[in-house]
Amino acid sequence: NAGVMQNPRHLVRRRGQEARLRCSPMKGHSHVYWYRQLPEEGLKFMVYLQKENIIDESGMPKERFSAEFPKEGPSILRIQQVVRGDSAAYFCASSPNRDSYTFGSGTRLTVV
Amino acid sequence: GENVEQHPSTLSVQEGDSAVIKCTYSDSASNYFPWYKQELGKRPQLIIDIRSNVGEKKDQRIAVTLNKTAKHFSLHITETQPEDSAVYFCAASPPFGNEKLTFGTGTRLTIIP
Repeated sequence: NAGVMQNPRHLVRRRGQEARLRCSPMKGHSHVYWYRQLPEEGLKFMVYLQKENIIDESGMPKERFSAEFPKEGPSILRIQQVVRGDSAAYFCASSPNRDSYTFGSGTRLTVV
Repeated sequence: GENVEQHPSTLSVQEGDSAVIKCTYSDSASNYFPWYKQELGKRPQLIIDIRSNVGEKKDQRIAVTLNKTAKHFSLHITETQPEDSAVYFCAASPPFGNEKLTFGTGTRLTIIP
C-alpha cells in the first residue's frame, strides 16, 4: 500500500493562475479530507469528501476554492485566480472509517 | 464548533528529561483525541491517540492522559531524545457527523543534547 499520494509536491503559480492539487487516498479508504497549513501555524480543516459527495465544506473559502472526489481517480482541490495569501502547504488525509487519518506528504503552493 | 487550545507553543527540554504538552477542547461531545508529530517539511504522523472511554494510554516513551470532566488532555514524552525534536499537534473529533479533526496550534519541541 503506497500510502496517501499527493502531487505535485511543490507548485509555483503566478497570481491569477489556477492551482490543481491531487490526492489519491490509500487503497480501501473512502473518506478524504483536505487541510491547509500556513507557515508556522496549525492545520485548518477545509473540506471532507466521500466518493462523489462533498460531506462538509465549512472550512473552505466560498470563492475561488472547490473540491471533488470523483468515482474514478484522485480527489482534486482547485484554487482559481490564486493570490499570495493562498501560499501554504495543503495536506490531504484519508481514512477507512471515522478515525485513523493518514496524511499525505502535502503540496506546497507558492504564489509569486 | 470545536475549539482546541494547545500550550506551550514552544518547549525546550534537556535530553533525557520529560516533556509535557497540554490541550483543552470546548465540545464535550468530542470523543477522539489524536496526537501528531510533524518534522520540518514533512507530513503529520499519528503518534498516539485516545478515546473518551479511557483515561490514559501508553506506548513506550509516549503517554496520553484525558480528563473528560475538565476537557483537557496531555501528551507526555519521557526520556526524551534528539529525534523527538519536532512540532506536535493535538486534535479533537466529534463522535458523529462530519468527523473532521480540529487541531491545536502546535508545540515546537526542542531537545537539547
